[in-house]
Amino acid sequence: GNSVTQMEGPVTLSEEAFLTINCTYTATGYPSLFWYVQYPGEGLQLLLKATKADDKGSNKGFEATYRKETTSFHLEKGSVQVSDSAVYFCALSGYSTLTFGKGTMLLVSP
Amino acid sequence: NAGVTQTPKFQVLKTGQSMTLQCAQDMNHNSMYWYRQDPGMGLRLIYYSASEGTTDKGEVPNGYNVSRLNKREFSLRLESAAPSQTSVYFCASSEEGTAANYGYTFGSGTRLTVV
Repeated sequence: GNSVTQMEGPVTLSEEAFLTINCTYTATGYPSLFWYVQYPGEGLQLLLKATKADDKGSNKGFEATYRKETTSFHLEKGSVQVSDSAVYFCALSGYSTLTFGKGTMLLVSP
Repeated sequence: NAGVTQTPKFQVLKTGQSMTLQCAQDMNHNSMYWYRQDPGMGLRLIYYSASEGTTDKGEVPNGYNVSRLNKREFSLRLESAAPSQTSVYFCASSEEGTAANYGYTFGSGTRLTVV
């Protein structure tokens, strides 16, 4: 079956540092890939997505590239801000449901 | 604002009590979902409804029932609550068959504690 593996957190960074959160997946077929973000006390919000190999999703300075050869979809940001502190979830699609990773907490200090 | 609305936001139950979590969406989506979120476990699918009139089990359906009341509403019922059901519950929706391309829209969650 489908599965998603994310790096464990928390990831702690200083403001303006470079961020990478690793995500690898196992899936049948050609899934779409997503990153969701969850701020404290809120639901999940779609951050970015990619629907086919070599696609790059981007939003709010975050980027992730769909790498079929390494079955990966790593999230990156060049310069994080305190306001980026949240939990980040990688997910992949089946036909009508999404499978999520366990989430990675990011803590950014001033 | 358009979106997915969940009620209640917080609830404390005693073991053995029953309750229904409500979810409604106003985006005319066909598909709706219930997930639970637990520390270190991520989100796990409880039940989903691909379209009005259909429901299917997800990864962790035991102890839960669902009702797709109409296109807008999808409720989750705990018949006899257990401490293991202490969790944060999220409802989500998507266009039928397009979760693959567009993903879900999530509600803000219901934090349930069973004592």
